[in-house]
Amino acid sequence: EAGVTQFPSHSVIEKGQTVTLRCDPISGHDNLYWYRRVMGKEIKFLLHFVKESKQDESGMPNNRFLAERTGGTYSTLKVQPAELEDSGVYFCASSAVRDRDTGELFFGEGSRLTVL
Amino acid sequence: AQTVTQSQPEMSVQEAETVTLSCTYDTSESNYYLFWYKQPPSRQMILVIRQEAYKQQNATENRFSVNFQKAAKSFSLKISDSQLGDTAMYFCAFKLRSGSQGNLIFGKGTKLSVKP
Repeated sequence: EAGVTQFPSHSVIEKGQTVTLRCDPISGHDNLYWYRRVMGKEIKFLLHFVKESKQDESGMPNNRFLAERTGGTYSTLKVQPAELEDSGVYFCASSAVRDRDTGELFFGEGSRLTVL
Repeated sequence: AQTVTQSQPEMSVQEAETVTLSCTYDTSESNYYLFWYKQPPSRQMILVIRQEAYKQQNATENRFSVNFQKAAKSFSLKISDSQLGDTAMYFCAFKLRSGSQGNLIFGKGTKLSVKP
């Protein structure tokens, strides 16, 4: 079974440009999460999809971030326009409904974003 | 609000020896999960071990075990017979066991190096 895959693995852009990160969850996982780790700090929750609906987007830093999950399959996270403080590693994770009580999430390798 | 603290940014251990990673957390809730995740270099983050707060018995998974002290809000990870493949970032995480999916709250991580 394929795991959670993220693309690109690393993106380097200039301040003001746009970047779109993609996450393909494990097939059949209704829950999809985005997290971000800024260097040296905690991994922070961004948002949570249940199928195509946003269950919780309380962690989204501002309106320069837009997440979508059309059709309830893969998800994209767009940053427009990017700022220096957006640099970090963006993790995607997924889980099945049956994992509700176990709390386990399955993570991708992360997409490293560097804004110059 | 819940917080997770890992006070050891980096640790090293000789192969075959035992190492303990510290984690403390803060919450006013009584029903929750605690996790240790590991992320090897350039690899996906994976679950190492999980503890349910209502269980007094410490969780164990082969060479990995935890020391869960609920009153002290402490959740340390012990790795016995350390192997080179244990080299990774280790993240302690907390999740409320609520009716909703909730989200994980992470510490800053501990970088563990296992030396031959």
